[in-house]
Amino acid sequence: QSALTQPASVSGSPGQSITISCTGTSSDIGGYDYVSWYQQYPGKAPKLMISEVSNRPSGVSNRFSGSKSGNTASLTISGLQAEDEADYYCCSYTSSGTVGFGGGTKVTVL
Amino acid sequence: QVQLVQSGAEVKQPGSSVKVSCKVSGGTFSSYTFSWVRQAPGQGLEWMARIIPILDMSKYAQKFRGRVTVTADKSTTTAYLELSSLTSEDTAVYYCARKVSGSYYFDYWGQGTLVTVPS
Repeated sequence: QSALTQPASVSGSPGQSITISCTGTSSDIGGYDYVSWYQQYPGKAPKLMISEVSNRPSGVSNRFSGSKSGNTASLTISGLQAEDEADYYCCSYTSSGTVGFGGGTKVTVL
Repeated sequence: QVQLVQSGAEVKQPGSSVKVSCKVSGGTFSSYTFSWVRQAPGQGLEWMARIIPILDMSKYAQKFRGRVTVTADKSTTTAYLELSSLTSEDTAVYYCARKVSGSYYFDYWGQGTLVTVPS
């Protein structure tokens, strides 16, 4: 059972925007601005897409954005493209000094 | 250019141990923390442990405490994960990942090491 809750799947048509939610508690997402998001293609290592809630690393498309409200973080992909079809994982620091991941969300481009 | 290169796939018998290595090149090894994250077939990511090489301090997820040991060799800039008392439920891809100091995100990842434990 994952520490953080994500929808199993989200889909959208090319050009649309989609949002993936990640719900935790006040002991993780709600208590710290240490939420990150990772993109993973089948058989590949995860890739950092968003750090510290909303920071986009160099080289990551500005179509990806992150936010947080209370105990829920969100990843929005705007202008959806075929190459965005992948699994996405949220991650948060926790009050126990460890790190927890969400269960992952499969994004499908229709 | 930062690279984390892990050791090759392993097949282990139930009850045995496995040790996975993660050779780090580029960047300053001792300035970072290295975590281990595993992914069972068709499942999500699961954080296991981390080590701070400069302090030789480690922290473990409750689930793995007592069965996992993480170490680091500063002279060879290599991090290690050792997992003991293996069962078929430990079959997974094991990743090492670099954590940026002062924050909690992973900016570089190894390619992953598949550990298979037959049932």
